[in-house]
Amino acid sequence: RKEVEQDPGPFNVPEGATVAFNCTYSNSASQSFFWYRQDCRKEPKLLMSVYSSGNEDGRFTAQLNRASQYISLLIRDSKLSDSATYLCVVNKPQGGTYKYIFGTGTRLKVLA
Amino acid sequence: GAVVSQHPSRVICKSGTSVKIECRSLDFQATTMFWYRQFPKQSLMLMATSNEGSKATYEQGVEKDKFLINHASLTLSTLTVTSAHPEDSSFYICSALLSYEQYFGPGTRLTVT
Repeated sequence: RKEVEQDPGPFNVPEGATVAFNCTYSNSASQSFFWYRQDCRKEPKLLMSVYSSGNEDGRFTAQLNRASQYISLLIRDSKLSDSATYLCVVNKPQGGTYKYIFGTGTRLKVLA
Repeated sequence: GAVVSQHPSRVICKSGTSVKIECRSLDFQATTMFWYRQFPKQSLMLMATSNEGSKATYEQGVEKDKFLINHASLTLSTLTVTSAHPEDSSFYICSALLSYEQYFGPGTRLTVT
């Protein structure tokens, strides 16, 4: 089982739609959780950290469920510019420090 | 937001030569930086964790003598690909840690001919 799992997609949605991605992680000791977006041939950019109580940034809402070990990202009112690959990142304790584990990403295509 | 630069953005070199890639945190200090490589349509693969003032920690399967990492200051880490071969051609990306968040450089596309 992968340490961080995501549905690779692609998710093809029309403009204005709401889309949700889930990500599951295997290590219950994981401490921090993030969503990044990566455009083709570009570096990942931090979209948002995910807090225990859930957090919202404009059209984006992230949730964490520690009991079920998953995090989610909800995008409302999708824009064409939201088309990208969304990476789930989880850090876990390892050897006195933390290691960041990346999911393989979920591709989103927002269609006009 | 935190800014990380990477230089060069693109490099083409001949087989057998060495290439140095620089990663700088421009507006913050980073004790820890990471080096990744990414092949087309694949996820990022962590190569090593670079800690200022100490030896880098390499992931399993990554040759430390081939991928030399130096983190001499709190704002600069370098990755040197020694005796590069065509199979080393890839997209190399660094990131710097600020608090618990990673901020990525724009990447270096290496092509070895």
